Amino acid sequence: DTAVSQTPKYLVTQMGNDKSIKCEQNLGHDTMYWYKQDSKKFLKIMFSYNNKELIINETVPNRFSPKSPDKAHLNLHINSLELGDSAVYFCASSQRFRTQTPGAGGTQYFGPGTRLLVL
Amino acid sequence: AQTVTQSQPEMSVQEAETVTLSCTYDTSESDYYLFWYKQPPSRQMILVIRQEAYKQQNATENRFSVNFQKAAKSFSLKISDSQLGDAAMYFCAYSLGAGNQFYFGTGTSLTVIP
Repeated sequence: DTAVSQTPKYLVTQMGNDKSIKCEQNLGHDTMYWYKQDSKKFLKIMFSYNNKELIINETVPNRFSPKSPDKAHLNLHINSLELGDSAVYFCASSQRFRTQTPGAGGTQYFGPGTRLLVL
Repeated sequence: AQTVTQSQPEMSVQEAETVTLSCTYDTSESDYYLFWYKQPPSRQMILVIRQEAYKQQNATENRFSVNFQKAAKSFSLKISDSQLGDAAMYFCAYSLGAGNQFYFGTGTSLTVIP
């Protein structure tokens, strides 16, 4: 079973369009994240979210918004796509420190990534 | 501000040899976790090894081990008996307790020479 899954794996779209990337985790984790990885491989956190709190990286444009229908899902909506949004987007999940499974707290488990290309 | 620094953008190693990737970090916290992740060309992020800051013993996972120097805020990764499949981008990261903040370094691209 895939622990963290993302759909789609590839997304090619035109500038100005609105798109969504879906993420699901079956690990029972309480916190989920979205990262952007640019062409230089630098990983930048965009959002972290649990049941109670959304933490937004202030450098993320408000065209990006996370939507969580339930604890196992955190989708990423992007409005008015721009050329600079082209990147690989990763979803991840983790369990809070020192809760439940010993030795696992804090570890983030990543989805396979979604390569977004804006033309 | 918390930062993670990987000073080696690229490294290479002969197959079967040993290589060490360096990582330093800056934090004022005392309780945290440190990680090394591997990203092969498939781009999947794979956890290689993790270290709990309150443990003095260095973590090991088969051919992978770390040298954790808490006072120096250093967390290097040693890969022994390097294999072709070890070729990847390696990211050092650390996670703080409250809120699970997670910080990544800029990565080291490892090439394994047959």
